Amino acid sequence: DTGVSQDPRHKITKRGQNVTFRCDPISEHNRLYWYRQTLGQGPEFLTYFQNEAQLEKSRLLSDRFSAERPKGSFSTLEIQRTEQGDSAMYLCASSLSDSNQPQHFGDGTRLSIL
Amino acid sequence: AQKVTQAQTEISVVEKEDVTLDCVYETRDTTYYLFWYKQPPSGELVFLIRRNSFDEQNEISGRYSWNFQKSTSSFNFTITASQVVDSAVYFCALSVYSSASKIIFGSGTRLSIRP
Repeated sequence: DTGVSQDPRHKITKRGQNVTFRCDPISEHNRLYWYRQTLGQGPEFLTYFQNEAQLEKSRLLSDRFSAERPKGSFSTLEIQRTEQGDSAMYLCASSLSDSNQPQHFGDGTRLSIL
Repeated sequence: AQKVTQAQTEISVVEKEDVTLDCVYETRDTTYYLFWYKQPPSGELVFLIRRNSFDEQNEISGRYSWNFQKSTSSFNFTITASQVVDSAVYFCALSVYSSASKIIFGSGTRLSIRP
């Protein structure tokens, strides 16, 4: 399978804990995106990378959230001191750098905060 | 600001019926892209189509067809002869050329096809 891969599929943690998610994009894609999707809503943009550079961040991305893509390949999204409101599906997508190219999404990581 | 509105929260039809999912968008940009994505129960967003703002030609792909009308800022999606496997949440989405990294999604329409 050569699609976007996300790990883990589901994460359950207690409020206040830190969590980290991983995304492996399609290999030739140099753009990588993170979105958050809450129940009954469409995905909301969080941030994106062009290679290893983080070029845009949404206001939704509070200071408890940090994303990295150190070698321009896989990316990690960390949430520190998790809160109930962080419960959501976190989706990763990738695309080629041409803005005309569609974004291809992974299966997502579902985060549940107890 | 950009916005996508999918007024139909849920639609339920009997198999083999035709069904149209409505999408209305707002943007002041003259260059933009419109998308439809399908999200089955497994959760993965599946890309269906992308149109740019300069191409109003309608498109047909098998049982799927899309009607893009700039005059009404609409990009509607029709499934002909629906099948149970079409059951999913469908999202209409928009990105503008000036910020093509960001896709703005509508709230989705949950489509249920009854056998």
